[in-house]
This record gives sequence, C-alpha cells and structure tokens, in this order.
Amino acid sequence: EVQLVESGGGLVKPGGSLRLSCAASGFTFSSYSMNWVRQAPGKGLEWVSSISSSSSYIYYADSVKGRFTISRDNAKNSLYLQMNSLRAEDTAVYYCAREGSNSNYDFDLWGRGTLVTVSS
Amino acid sequence: DIQMTQSPSSVSASVGDRVTITCRASQGISSWLAWYQQKPGKAPKLLIYAASSLQSGVPSRFSGSGSGTDFTLTISSLQPEDFATYYCQQANSFPPTFGPGTKVDIK
Repeated sequence: EVQLVESGGGLVKPGGSLRLSCAASGFTFSSYSMNWVRQAPGKGLEWVSSISSSSSYIYYADSVKGRFTISRDNAKNSLYLQMNSLRAEDTAVYYCAREGSNSNYDFDLWGRGTLVTVSS
Repeated sequence: DIQMTQSPSSVSASVGDRVTITCRASQGISSWLAWYQQKPGKAPKLLIYAASSLQSGVPSRFSGSGSGTDFTLTISSLQPEDFATYYCQQANSFPPTFGPGTKVDIK
C-alpha cells in the first residue's frame, strides 16, 4: 500500500526540540521530493519545508528558517524534521507530503499527521 | 510570497446542488493551481492539479478551471461525502501557499 506514516510528535516546552519522522512505503521514495506541511488547531494549511529527491535542494518557510532542519534517508525510505527552539506558534499537526509527479509544487500523497504541542 | 484568497469562506448546500468555489492569486501563476479536500481529523486529499486536471480516483463531479489569477472549483452535484473544507494552493513558485479554505456544510 502506498502510504506515509508520521511519528515523533508530542508535548514539548517552549525552547525545546523535537524530531519528526515520516516512513514511506509502496512507492520509490528516492524518486520524489518530499515536504512537511503543518496545520495549527482550527486553522489552515502552511507549507513548512521541502527537500528534493537527492537532498540537493532544500527550502524552508521564513517562519521556521534557522530553527528547523529537513533531511531524508533514501536507504531507509524516511523523511525527518528536526525542530529546535520551538515556540507556542509551532503547535500544529505536522503532515508529511509527497510532491506530485504530474505537476509542480503540489502534494499528491499525505500522511495522517503527527501533533506537536508547544506549551509550558 | 504569493497570497491566495478564497470565496466564499463557507457555503451551505444540499445534496444534489451545484457548488462553485473561487480562488484568486495575488499575482499570475499560469495554471499552477491545486485543489484539496479535507475532512475533520483527516489529511488533505488532492483533487485537482494544474488547475483543471483531475487526480486519479477523484469523481468526475469535481472540476477545476482558470488560469492566471482566477480559478474555480466546481462540484456538479454535491454528494453526502463532499461535505468538507476545500483549499486551493498555488504551485507556481516557492513557497507554496494555500488559500484560507472554504467550508461546505449541510443546508
């Protein structure tokens, strides 16, 4: 089955760190650019970061630049997001999303998400 | 960054109704626009890419149109499973940006 499964979310204090993981299966992970997209409670969708298939190109939203680091391990079919210096406004469900193969920067496969709560 | 707006923010409709949602980009994005459906507690699902291309497995009652700055998503005959929030997203340039969403609920 083609799927993405996120893990690693939880409750963390402001200023703390967390590492999210996304396990891919059912498709050739190494052929796709991958992304993290987040959704604060009751709010809309916000793109967070993107990494190309070979990790050559990496992009971040201004809101997380310098604090978050995206990476991938194609041998393990896994995507990661290291989140440091977390703030209350980083509280959200974080989705792993595959970039579509038929188009530009859209997302054709999403995981179920993992909730990150930043609170003291 | 390219800003995306949607109208209406919510719409109440009945099963069988035709529903149209509009999305506008703050600058031209050619046809690089996607539409997603999201149900409560679930991940978004890609419906339409490149403004008018139907994603595999998506029912043909969904259609998209437009180019440049103005786009529409149309549901030709609303079904019970279509009650959800719909987001547009520009796929023209980084950073990808989403509209604020349109909630379609039961009249």
